[in-house]
Amino acid sequence: KAGVTQTPRYLIKTRGQQVTLSCSPISGHRSVSWYQQTPGQGLQFLFEYFSETQRNKGNFPGRFSGRQFSNSRSEMNVSTLELGDSALYLCASRLTAGLAYNEQFFGPGTRLTVL
Amino acid sequence: DQQVKQNSPSLSVQEGRISILNCDYTNSMFDYFLWYKKYPAEGPTFLISISSIKDKNEDGRFTVFLNKSAKHLSLHIVPSQPGDSAVYFCAASAASGGSNYKLTFGKGTLLTVNP
Repeated sequence: KAGVTQTPRYLIKTRGQQVTLSCSPISGHRSVSWYQQTPGQGLQFLFEYFSETQRNKGNFPGRFSGRQFSNSRSEMNVSTLELGDSALYLCASRLTAGLAYNEQFFGPGTRLTVL
Repeated sequence: DQQVKQNSPSLSVQEGRISILNCDYTNSMFDYFLWYKKYPAEGPTFLISISSIKDKNEDGRFTVFLNKSAKHLSLHIVPSQPGDSAVYFCAASAASGGSNYKLTFGKGTLLTVNP
C-alpha cells in the first residue's frame, strides 16, 4: 500500500507570495492533518480535515488555510508569505477521526523556503 | 505554553547499551501517548504508543513506560543500534476529545548511537 505522498518536496518563494501544498493520504484513510516543523518550535499542529470538513485547528493565523477533496486528498495554502513561514510542512493521514487509536502516518514533507 | 516537553535536546549512547529518552507533559487530559522517530528528509515514523490505562508497553527492542502521577513517560531502546540514530518525538493526545483530536508534540531528542 502506498504511503502518504506530498508535493512538491521543495519550494522556494519570496515574501508576499502565496503557496499551495498538496497531500495524498494512504488509500482508505479519510483524515488528513497538517503540521509545521521548525527547529525552534518542533512539530506544531495546523489543522485536521475529515470528510471535506475542518475538524480541528491549531493556533496559526488565518493566512494558513486548507481544504480536503472528496477523494480525501488535501491541500494547504499559505498567503502573504513571511520569512518565518520557512519550515518543513508535514501531512499525516489516519483511518478516521475520533477514534481512541490515534496512529497517524506521515508523509516526507514539503520544505518551504521563503526569501 | 509547552504541554509536552522533551528536556534533553540530544543523547549519545554506545552501541549495545540502553537508550532512555524522557518526556514530560502538563495536560492531565492527555490519555494516549506516542513515540515517533524521524530521519533527516523523511517524515516521522510511528514507533510505539501507550494508553493511560497501562503503565508499560513493549514492542521488540522498544518499551514505553508511563507514570501518570508524575506525568512522565520514557522510551527505552535495548540494545541500541547505530540505525536507531534519529530524532525521537514524544506526542500526546486526548483521545476522549473525539473529533477535537490532535497530536501535541515535544520538540524532539536527537539520539546518536556510536558504533
